[in-house]
Amino acid sequence: EIVLTQSPATLSLSPGERATLSCRASQGVSSYLAWYQQKPGQAPRLLIYDASNRATGIPARFSGSGPGTDFTLTISSLEPEDFAVYYCQQRSNWLLTFGGGTKVEIK
Amino acid sequence: QVQLVESGGGVVQPGRSLRLSCAASGFTFSSYGMHWVRQAPGKGLEWVAVIWYDGSNKYYADSVKGRFTISRDNSKNTLYLQMNSLRAEDTAVYYCARDQWFGEFNNPYYWGQGTLVTVSS
Repeated sequence: EIVLTQSPATLSLSPGERATLSCRASQGVSSYLAWYQQKPGQAPRLLIYDASNRATGIPARFSGSGPGTDFTLTISSLEPEDFAVYYCQQRSNWLLTFGGGTKVEIK
Repeated sequence: QVQLVESGGGVVQPGRSLRLSCAASGFTFSSYGMHWVRQAPGKGLEWVAVIWYDGSNKYYADSVKGRFTISRDNSKNTLYLQMNSLRAEDTAVYYCARDQWFGEFNNPYYWGQGTLVTVSS
């Protein structure tokens, strides 16, 4: 099973700042890495798929990089609605796994 | 628009069974793979299972393999999760989710609002 490790667990930033979230895979996942945003009481929302492609309707301030084992989600300038928990997810060998999540909180 | 509505959650004793349903609408159900993903209270997301658009292939997380069964009825636009031998650690909100693209296995994209399963004596 491929394990995804996200860091940091919590990121304390102010609106307008840049957020950089990391996801490391225990083995290569090619570009099959996605990022989700989840707000309290809501279902997750797909932001980025295949490492660097924004899903439909996702603002350009969200970007992703990869491939391989080290992936990054960058939010160029945090908006108030961006404070949430972010999960990375990989799909390979017909299985999916999620990382443990990074909480982006208001400083 | 795409709608996914889960049902069947509730409180169940350890060792008992429960069946979840997910009613789909707003898209051609028989063209998309479907997932179950769960989230324990205050914890992260855990993928549970996936079923191909035509039901021909099913894959499970190790934590539920042999106890849970995913299935679908394309004539009723409904996804199911049969959960047997339930344990306290199965307590979670269970989400059904549709694949992003039609055809082959890919990322969960549209999600329901979830149904809570509590395993407790």
